[in-house]
Amino acid sequence: GQQLNQSPQSMFIQEGEDVSMNCTSSSIFNTWLWYKQDPGEGPVLLIALYKAGELTSNGRLTAQFGITRKDSFLNISASIPSDVGIYFCAGGGGATNKLIFGTGTLLAVQP
Amino acid sequence: ETGVTQTPRHLVMGMTNKKSLKCEQHLGHNAMYWYKQSAKKPLELMFVYNFKEQTENNSVPSRFSPECPNSSHLFLHLHTLQPEDSALYLCASSQDVRDTEAFFGQGTRLTVV
Repeated sequence: GQQLNQSPQSMFIQEGEDVSMNCTSSSIFNTWLWYKQDPGEGPVLLIALYKAGELTSNGRLTAQFGITRKDSFLNISASIPSDVGIYFCAGGGGATNKLIFGTGTLLAVQP
Repeated sequence: ETGVTQTPRHLVMGMTNKKSLKCEQHLGHNAMYWYKQSAKKPLELMFVYNFKEQTENNSVPSRFSPECPNSSHLFLHLHTLQPEDSALYLCASSQDVRDTEAFFGQGTRLTVV
């Protein structure tokens, strides 16, 4: 079935550093979404991408829809302690038309 | 606040108990979903409802029984669960099943003892 490989699995950084994480797939998606999940909460949608090559920003977050439609990355600039959480990528509109989730990247930010 | 509310937030139940999880969305969406989130695993889609009709059941055991009385409400009835069913159960909604922008509730942390 369709799978997403998300990396890195975890990151431990200092406040103020920039962060980059990505998702890759062996199959094509028509939509890429990035979610953040705080402990004990549900995932919250951060950015949605609909077009290959699209680069979208949401505050300090920037995400890109890979030109091959098989990958996406999320950058967080000037990290702050409240950026802590698990970040998930999700691909949609693929062969199964389901939303497929990556395994998540755990981000820890040291003040 | 995502517009999707789940109750209860936490639930502990014995293997012989019957309990229900509730989800309500205030977004005017027509599709609703149940996901299971276990440690170190990707989110697993369980059920999909579109305009109150079940459109997908991802080989979920019959001890999980969904119910969707209307487009705003979704239930997950639980009966004779196993300890390995302990997980975070997440409800989500989207405009319809073709819309991949899903909005999630806060989840119900279920522990089966």
